[in-house]
Amino acid sequence: KNEVEQSPQNLTAQEGEFITINCSYSVGISALHWLQQHPGGGIVSLFMLSSGKKKHGRLIATINIQEKHSSLHITASHPRDSAVYICAVTGSARQLTFGSGTQLTVLP
Amino acid sequence: DTGVSQNPRHKITKRGQNVTFRCDPISEHNRLYWYRQTLGQGPEFLTYFQNEAQLEKSRLLSDRFSAERPKGSFSTLEIQRTEQGDSAMYLCASSFGGRYIYEQYFGPGTRLTVT
Repeated sequence: KNEVEQSPQNLTAQEGEFITINCSYSVGISALHWLQQHPGGGIVSLFMLSSGKKKHGRLIATINIQEKHSSLHITASHPRDSAVYICAVTGSARQLTFGSGTQLTVLP
Repeated sequence: DTGVSQNPRHKITKRGQNVTFRCDPISEHNRLYWYRQTLGQGPEFLTYFQNEAQLEKSRLLSDRFSAERPKGSFSTLEIQRTEQGDSAMYLCASSFGGRYIYEQYFGPGTRLTVT
């Protein structure tokens, strides 16, 4: 079993829909990260959080430490949101442990 | 500073050849990480440096792999006697280091194809 599990693996939505991507982890963490990866490989950090909730524009990330679960929400989705979204955690070591990613496709 | 840069962006090599990749981190960052990503998977940790010291290496990093960060600035990752299983995207990231957890900034990656 992977230390970081994401669901769903693939998600197709219509423009304007509310989207949720889930992440569960099985280890103790210092922080949880949500990352976005576009075709070609570039990875951009969206959020780093260790408790509660963060919001940036149409993106919202939440974490429940007791349940070892985090969600990434996208409100009013747009085709330009199409990308792979990756959940990663930082434990006692400083490197990231990644989930396998969620491929999001938003159709116009 | 324009962010983390990696060179080359693409590398095609024949099995058995040696390859070297370079990563230039954000200049203020003292931590530098190497990750590897195969198609359809999330990245996997290879190794990281704090300044010039290599602090941790993954078991994925066989003895054919070596990484250096002389003078705590740029880093190189060398793969000797490449195998087809080495084909992957090699990602570099950098961050501030110390007591707290800091966001990591990723380079564009080097895509290696071993034929």
